[in-house]
Order: sequence, then structure tokens, then C-alpha cells
Amino acid sequence: DAGITQSPRHKVTETGTPVTLRCHQTENHRYMYWYRQDPGHGLRLIHYSYGVKDTDKGEVSDGYSVSRSKTEDFLLTLESATSSQTSVYFCAISEDTSGIGDSTDTQYFGPGTRLTVL
Amino acid sequence: ILNVEQSPQSLHVQEGDSTNFTCSFPSSNFYALHWYRWETAKSPEALFVMTLNGDEKKKGRISATLNTKEGYSYLYIKGSQPEDSATYLCAFYLTGANSKLTFGKGITLSVRP
Repeated sequence: DAGITQSPRHKVTETGTPVTLRCHQTENHRYMYWYRQDPGHGLRLIHYSYGVKDTDKGEVSDGYSVSRSKTEDFLLTLESATSSQTSVYFCAISEDTSGIGDSTDTQYFGPGTRLTVL
Repeated sequence: ILNVEQSPQSLHVQEGDSTNFTCSFPSSNFYALHWYRWETAKSPEALFVMTLNGDEKKKGRISATLNTKEGYSYLYIKGSQPEDSATYLCAFYLTGANSKLTFGKGITLSVRP
């Protein structure tokens, strides 16, 4: 298995509180992603990173921010959690084997974090 | 936002049956198609990455084909086993700046012993 861990694995919080989820990799892969998975939806991209301090928005980025200060860590922050952010969050990583982007590179997923916002 | 459609949404088969799923995606500006297998309580795992029209890939009893001109991919499982029970996701990648992998909702396969 690719060396990807997520913490915490489960979290229950209240509306309006800040929450930070951490993704840590030991593969030295260039790309890192945050997805959310909800019933009736596929995996939806929240934010991604293509290098240290290089991040960009995905499909459902509103209400989320990210940071990547080291190759191995990618943090997802909910500044003020809302009930609509109750979800399972997956981190993923991929190499950039071609050097021109990650489109044909397999993504490896972490174990997921189940977040409940009451 | 361009979407990927997967059908059927769910499938229940008997052990030993062969199954196939369809993934439909935009054919314009196509670049790559990914298939992932996602078992309950686990993380998605990659099966195939396909880029060329007519491409066929195989891993054990699972194989996939790709038609980029008409925008579809088939995933076949020969002689389904209970351990094949999972959700199968496809995801496409288009050319162009800021293009990212877009996932379908998945097809849930249940194989009865």
C-alpha cells in the first residue's frame, strides 16, 4: 500500500468550529488531493496541490482552504464547519511521471476521515 | 461541469456469472480514463489507466476496453467471485489547463455465493 495516512480518522464537531484534517505521505509524490465522498455523488475534488506551497481549487472548494508547507503534508481546513460539510474526506497522491502533469498517473488514496458536523 | 455516467448503478449477480459495466464520458478533448475498485470500508484502488482509442487492459479476471471516439469504456469481470463485490469507479481526464480527474458515481457490484 502507498504510504498515506490521514488524521484524525473520525471527528465529530459542532457548527461554527474550525477543523483541520491532515494527510501525510511517505512516497515523495508531487501531487496531493482532497476529495469528499457523499451518498449519490462520486468523489468530488475539493483542492489539490502540485508542489510545496502550490495549490489550486477543485470542484467544491467553497468553505475549505488548504496548505502544503512540506512535500509530505497536505492540510485541509474548514474555517467554520457547517452541517453540509459532514462527509467522508479522502486524501490522494500521485506522481508526475511524465513531468507535464498527473493525468495518466494512478492516484493512491488514504483511508479516509469521517467528519460529522452537528 | 462535464460529467461521467456509469451504468448500471448497481448489479447483483451469482458467483460464476460474468458481468460488464459501462462508463460514458465526453469524447471531446479526451485524455485519459481511470478505473478504480472500491471495497466497503477501504480506499479506492486503481485498476487501469487507459489513454488510447481501442486500448484493452487486463488484470486477472478483470479487463477493460476504451472507445474514445464515442466516449465509453467497458469493464468486464469474468466468472465473478464474492470477493469481486465492490464499487467500481471510472474517472476521466480531459486535455486543457486545470483539467482534473472527474469521477463517476460508481457501480456497486454484489456477488452472491
